[in-house]
Amino acid sequence: GQNIDQPTEMTATEGAIVQINCTYQTSGFNGLFWYQQHAGEAPTFLSYNVLDGLEEKGRFSSFLSRSKGYSYLLLKELQMKDSASYLCAVRDHGDYKLSFGAGTTVTVRA
Amino acid sequence: GAVVSQHPSRVICKSGTSVKIECRSLDFQATTMFWYRQFPKQSLMLMATSNEGSKATYEQGVEKDKFLINHASLTLSTLTVTSAHPEDSSFYICSASSQNSYEQYFGPGTRLTVT
Repeated sequence: GQNIDQPTEMTATEGAIVQINCTYQTSGFNGLFWYQQHAGEAPTFLSYNVLDGLEEKGRFSSFLSRSKGYSYLLLKELQMKDSASYLCAVRDHGDYKLSFGAGTTVTVRA
Repeated sequence: GAVVSQHPSRVICKSGTSVKIECRSLDFQATTMFWYRQFPKQSLMLMATSNEGSKATYEQGVEKDKFLINHASLTLSTLTVTSAHPEDSSFYICSASSQNSYEQYFGPGTRLTVT
């Protein structure tokens, strides 16, 4: 099984940077995903890490350390539209199932 | 990118009735589809995994006779909530992936309210 932990809520100011941490304990690992979900909508894909290191994609970056069971999502130059829930998800080895963390609600204030 | 649709987007039904939710992959062949349930302010919980042409695999604690899943083609999977009760009210989301793809593409979700 999977045990995935991430903070419940974070607040930041427009234009600032926020880092959302995710730790996991898994029986098998085949990649870590970050999704953004606005209230009442389905999740949208942000990033995927399967090897250690940093993946950068525009204002969003994601980091993975497999030995530490740790990942973070970095959001730069925050905009009001970035207010959403951010979900960390780990994929099991072999069956492509995703296990989701409870999500981190990010509130961006002017 | 790949598009997944769900129908209906919202449904209200009476307790004891059955509701069918459709999940379609519009521009790719989905060899695997996943059904999730999400209660307010909680994360997505996987209910079952379905592969085209075979029986769905249900997660522990999910009643297969209550949540009937059919994946008859490479572009369509259906979830039927049978004898719905108010506690089944939730946001149901499907996702689809193609063979050997690492990514799951999510549908827009279906809000089910059982009165």
